[in-house]
Amino acid sequence: AQTVTQSQPEMSVQEAETVTLSCTYDTSESDYYLFWYKQPPSRQMILVIRQEAYKQQNATENRFSVNFQKAAKSFSLKISDSQLGDAAMYFCAYRSGGFKTIFGAGTRLFVKA
Amino acid sequence: DAMVIQNPRYQVTQFGKPVTLSCSQTLNHNVMYWYQQKSSQAPKLLFHYYDKDFNNEADTPDNFQSRRPNTSFCFLDIRSPGLGDAAMYLCATSRRTSGGAWNEQFFGPGTRLTVL
Repeated sequence: AQTVTQSQPEMSVQEAETVTLSCTYDTSESDYYLFWYKQPPSRQMILVIRQEAYKQQNATENRFSVNFQKAAKSFSLKISDSQLGDAAMYFCAYRSGGFKTIFGAGTRLFVKA
Repeated sequence: DAMVIQNPRYQVTQFGKPVTLSCSQTLNHNVMYWYQQKSSQAPKLLFHYYDKDFNNEADTPDNFQSRRPNTSFCFLDIRSPGLGDAAMYLCATSRRTSGGAWNEQFFGPGTRLTVL
């Protein structure tokens, strides 16, 4: 069975600094998608970034980028120039060919002014 | 703006009193999902609809039912809520193309259910 592990329950970063959130996953599939979702205190979950497993190039969305290491089954999220609005719960998620998305336990990110 | 809407945002019910949560979408997505999320935990998938096909997760209690009368609407019925059913309920949608390609899920704001 596929699993997603986020080993950092909480992280803290100074405003304007860079932070990296870790995620590892386990799967026997070769074709799948990986996602980072952000859930701010208002609780609406939004997609931050996604990565297709067949793509070697790491995905980037403005200040957000990933380090996708397929062989190591690692998918970390780097947030550059952190802003107060980045404070949220971040969920790493996995989906293969089926309908089900498997979420990690989440990392709560605090941003200090 | 296209979106996923959930009503009500907050719902209070009594132990054992049936309750219905609703979700609507303007995205015209063919897949709709219901998740249960307890405090500081990951969302847990309860079931989903692919068009009219209903798919229940194996560990979803029988107490939870769902209806999808049309593409835009999906309902979550809790027949006899217990104290352990107090949670945030998230609706999400996604689109699967005829070629099998997937888009990401779009989430609604959630309904927070309190059981007294």
